[in-house]
Amino acid sequence: GAGVSQSPSNKVTEKGKDVELRCDPISGHTALYWYRQSLGQGLEFLIYFQGNSAPDKSGLPSDRFSAERTGGSVSTLTIQRTQQEDSAVYLCASSFEPPGPKNTEAFFGQGTRLTVV
Amino acid sequence: AQSVTQLGSHVSVSEGALVLLRCNYSSSVPPYLFWYVQYPNQGLQLLLKYTTGATLVKGINGFEAEFKKSETSFHLTKPSAHMSDAAEYFCAVTSSSGGSYIPTFGRGTSLIVHP
Repeated sequence: GAGVSQSPSNKVTEKGKDVELRCDPISGHTALYWYRQSLGQGLEFLIYFQGNSAPDKSGLPSDRFSAERTGGSVSTLTIQRTQQEDSAVYLCASSFEPPGPKNTEAFFGQGTRLTVV
Repeated sequence: AQSVTQLGSHVSVSEGALVLLRCNYSSSVPPYLFWYVQYPNQGLQLLLKYTTGATLVKGINGFEAEFKKSETSFHLTKPSAHMSDAAEYFCAVTSSSGGSYIPTFGRGTSLIVHP
């Protein structure tokens, strides 16, 4: 597609429910990243995909968080048994890898605003 | 390991005044450096980037930044602020680490522009 697409744009869920957030990266981008942005905070790295594998999951806050990527394209971030502290904007980004002189930056989606009530 | 420090969580300027947003980075290998802008309820949009070559880079909306290796800095400037520049600005660094180039972001600086 023309850009990184995330769905849903907004999600309100009850505490304890599971949620799935979807990211559709730019076609041809092998690298995909998930970040979390809490109110007034910077971007917290969650997980990095290289193709379908996730060599760096170091930012996932707990075992309630998981993510997968299929076909080297779409990625899903799943949060099980949601808690109020999970409320944040979840941003997905994609990029070429390895970066070339003209293709170094990550492109971001609009984000999914998750509210746990 | 790489890291980014943005000095000042909020910067307030008058319309028409100089904008200066500070960014210092840490990287053990030559970095790529970026500034992104985020408007309310939107994702991040690239303002400008440094990869190699000329250390003064120009971006969109009249912004520019200078890579100073000796100071490990990449400060963002604009000669004259507009009301429309009010937004959150993020500095980011990426460098090769085991074959990956995961961007690391600063905590962001909120730019406030007064009439």
